[in-house]
Amino acid sequence: AQTVTQSQPEMSVQEAETVTLSCTYDTSESDYYLFWYKQPPSRQMILVIRQEAYKQQNATENRFSVNFQKAAKSFSLKISDSQLGDAAMYFCAYIEYGGSQGNLIFGKGTKLSVKP
Amino acid sequence: SQTIHQWPATLVQPVGSPLSLECTVEGTSNPNLYWYRQAAGRGLQLLFYSVGIGQISSEVPQNLSASRPQDRQFILSSKKLLLSDSGFYLCAWSSGISSGQPQHFGDGTRLSIL
Repeated sequence: AQTVTQSQPEMSVQEAETVTLSCTYDTSESDYYLFWYKQPPSRQMILVIRQEAYKQQNATENRFSVNFQKAAKSFSLKISDSQLGDAAMYFCAYIEYGGSQGNLIFGKGTKLSVKP
Repeated sequence: SQTIHQWPATLVQPVGSPLSLECTVEGTSNPNLYWYRQAAGRGLQLLFYSVGIGQISSEVPQNLSASRPQDRQFILSSKKLLLSDSGFYLCAWSSGISSGQPQHFGDGTRLSIL
């Protein structure tokens, strides 16, 4: 069965600096999608970034970028120029291409604190 | 643009009482719909998902049920709540066109059982 592991329960970063959140996953599939979601204290889950496994190029969204290492099954999120509003829980998620639409698998999350 | 509405935002219920949480999506048709539960300090647990009206898949057998009476309406229910039903409930939708589409979440309902 596929699993998603976020090994860092908590991380801290100084405002304006860069932080990287780790995510590894286990799958025997070759086609799949990976996501990072952000959940601020307000609890709404917000999509940050999406990566398609068949694309070599790392996805980017403004200050957010990923380092996708398919062979290593690693999908880390880099936040540049961290802002106070980036403080939140971050969840990594996986879904198999063509799989059941319900089968989005989440990691347990990393709590990011941003220090002014 | 698509929007998702979930209510109520907060609910306090006694043990043994019924439950009805509602979720509606606007701006899209035939979405896939999902109910998740998130316990304090933990990740998301998928409870139910639906790919169409009247089509409900249950991931975790439990005290809860779901229904989809209309294309863009998804309801989470219980006849008798348990203490263990406390948590944060999130509704989500995704495009039904193909897999790999991101799921978009509502604001959630914080349910406390007394």
